[in-house]
Amino acid sequence: DVKVTQSSRYLVKRTGEKVFLECVQDMDHENMFWYRQDPGLGLRLIYFSYDVKMKEKGDIPEGYSVSREKKERFSLILESASTNQTSMYLCASSFRQGRHQPQHFGDGTRLSIL
Amino acid sequence: SQQGEEDPQALSIQEGENATMNCSYKTSINNLQWYRQNSGRGLVHLILIRSNEREKHSGRLRVTLDTSKKSSSLLITASRAADTASYFCATAANYGGATNKLIFGTGTLLAVQP
Repeated sequence: DVKVTQSSRYLVKRTGEKVFLECVQDMDHENMFWYRQDPGLGLRLIYFSYDVKMKEKGDIPEGYSVSREKKERFSLILESASTNQTSMYLCASSFRQGRHQPQHFGDGTRLSIL
Repeated sequence: SQQGEEDPQALSIQEGENATMNCSYKTSINNLQWYRQNSGRGLVHLILIRSNEREKHSGRLRVTLDTSKKSSSLLITASRAADTASYFCATAANYGGATNKLIFGTGTLLAVQP
């Protein structure tokens, strides 16, 4: 069965800290995605990657960076956390081949920045 | 930028009734997908309908797509309390090489009363 695992369900950090959110998938998917989800705004794409060491900016990349050193792992980095980055963060993955691929999601990390 | 807008934002029905949710979008698409999200969890893929399809069924789910009106509807028949969740539509379009990038709507919160 498909599995996307996010390292933490809940995380509390302080303003100015560097924060790492980790995501691992076991389906050999080429594509991986990071979203944030806020009430009334739906899911917004932060960054995505279609191959190892490749990354593309999504709709809201400011204040974030990503790392993809291995195919199964995609990390989201908050360089200097701020309170407006308090949110639910969702990781997803999909096959790259073909135009009609669903995305598979992890359970999310609820991040609070104090 | 938001592509899909769901309607209604919230829906409350009794067990056994049918639930209908609508989604409108703005640009041409390759496919449209529906996802479910239980409270505090990740999204689960329900069904995908391609741009050249008009209707698709999966169990108690029926999805229609009208590309001339840029709209889709999700019908859940004979609803159960376990169907209580948020439902999101997501559209897939060509974005250069990243054809599996999705844009999500803001969701419909469905409550099924036992």
